[in-house]
Amino acid sequence: NAGVTQTPKFRILKIGQSMTLQCAQDMNHNYMYWYRQDPGMGLKLIYYSVGAGITDKGEVPNGYNVSRSTTEDFPLRLELAAPSQTSVYFCASSPTGTTNYGYTFGSGTRLTVV
Amino acid sequence: GENVEQHPSTLSVQEGDSAVIKCTYSDSASNYFPWYKQELGKRPQLIIDIRSNVGEKKDQRIAVTLNKTAKHFSLHITETQPEDSAVYFCAARRGYNKLIFGAGTRLAVHP
Repeated sequence: NAGVTQTPKFRILKIGQSMTLQCAQDMNHNYMYWYRQDPGMGLKLIYYSVGAGITDKGEVPNGYNVSRSTTEDFPLRLELAAPSQTSVYFCASSPTGTTNYGYTFGSGTRLTVV
Repeated sequence: GENVEQHPSTLSVQEGDSAVIKCTYSDSASNYFPWYKQELGKRPQLIIDIRSNVGEKKDQRIAVTLNKTAKHFSLHITETQPEDSAVYFCAARRGYNKLIFGAGTRLAVHP
């Protein structure tokens, strides 16, 4: 049981390049989330998904896209990288229901746009 | 939308002292309030949480209190130790288990 796996751990992008941050979970969680954490700041919700085929915007969705074709995978796409997207990106998942609201976080992807 | 404010942004205490971090939230529909600890370069780790039908919860040296009327909740750490040094985040739950996080408190415990 690996929990939530994020790849890559580090990446440097040039302005205007594109990339996909990968996130996979093996806990059969329906809910998945992408957050970004700027230096010295809290986590901001980018996008979330409540199940395969269903995604919605969070607090800071501009410049990002997501898809959820399977329960396990929730990739985050950056189409035209900008310096403002330099951040640490965390993927998380949680079960549905009312007994356990706790998040399982991935280890994060540190992205630098130059 | 939900807004979570957290204070103070930095907190410095001597080993053995108590530390208190406070958060306020805006959405009265929020019903779950977790606290996360994040060490440098690591992912956030859940340390304690409280639901809206409970006023206080304790787990060894840490406790969380909730005042639903005033829409604020607090983290209390007693007998602080150097290993408690980290950034602490509060959060409030919205629909579909979305968590809205505070900006964080950097706690330094000095020996």
